[in-house]
Amino acid sequence: GDSVTQMEGPVTLSEEAFLTINCTYTATGYPSLFWYVQYPGEGLQLLLKATKADDKGSNKGFEATYRKETTSFHLEKGSVQVSDSAVYFCALRNTGGFKTIFGAGTRLFVKA
Amino acid sequence: GAGVSQSPSNKVTEKGKDVELRCDPISGHTALYWYRQSLGQGLEFLIYFQGNSAPDKSGLPSDRFSAERTGGSVSTLTIQRTQQEDSAVYLCASSLRLNADTEAFFGQGTRLTVV
Repeated sequence: GDSVTQMEGPVTLSEEAFLTINCTYTATGYPSLFWYVQYPGEGLQLLLKATKADDKGSNKGFEATYRKETTSFHLEKGSVQVSDSAVYFCALRNTGGFKTIFGAGTRLFVKA
Repeated sequence: GAGVSQSPSNKVTEKGKDVELRCDPISGHTALYWYRQSLGQGLEFLIYFQGNSAPDKSGLPSDRFSAERTGGSVSTLTIQRTQQEDSAVYLCASSLRLNADTEAFFGQGTRLTVV
C-alpha cells in the first residue's frame, strides 16, 4: 500500500542554518503531496502542498518540489529561525484516496 | 465554523469506562477523518466519513471503537471499556471533498488519558 518515509529526528540546527528534511513516498497513481507542521501545544497545520510532478510548494520560506522520478518531496528552508521549532510531517493523498497518509514526523529544534 | 473544533480538549478516564469524543468540522466540508497520535508515534488513520457514511471501518483498532456522523456535520468517536493503550491524542480533520488535491484541516485534538 501507499506509504511515506521521512528522516528520523530530532534535527537540531542553529538559527540561520539551512534545513533539509528528506521525504520519500511509495504510491500507485498520482498522489498529491503535503507537508504539515505541528508547533508545540498546537494542532496540525498545512505548511505547503504540491499536486503534480515538478510542482513546487512554498510557504513561510519553506519549499518542497514534487519529484516523481525519485519519489521524493524534500522540505527545505534557507535560513531557519527559533520559531520554526516544531514537528514536521510529510504526507500524501492518492487519487480517489479517502485518507491522508503521514510519515512518522521529524522534530526540529532550532537554537538561538 | 472557522476551523475544526474538537471537544473535550483533554479527557482523563478510568480504565473500563466509556468515552465520547466530539468533532465539529468546518461548515460545508463533506469529508471527515479521525486519526490517533500516540506518544512519539505518527498519525494512525482510524476512519473517514463521506457525508454520514463510513464505507471502511477497518482502520478502527478494535470493536470497542465506533464512530458516527449525523447531518453531514458533527461526528462522535466512542471508545467503550477503555484500556490504557487507548491513551493518545485523537485528531479529527475535515476536507471540502475526498479529492486527492484537497487539503485536510485538523482540529486541536482530544488528549485522552486512561488511568
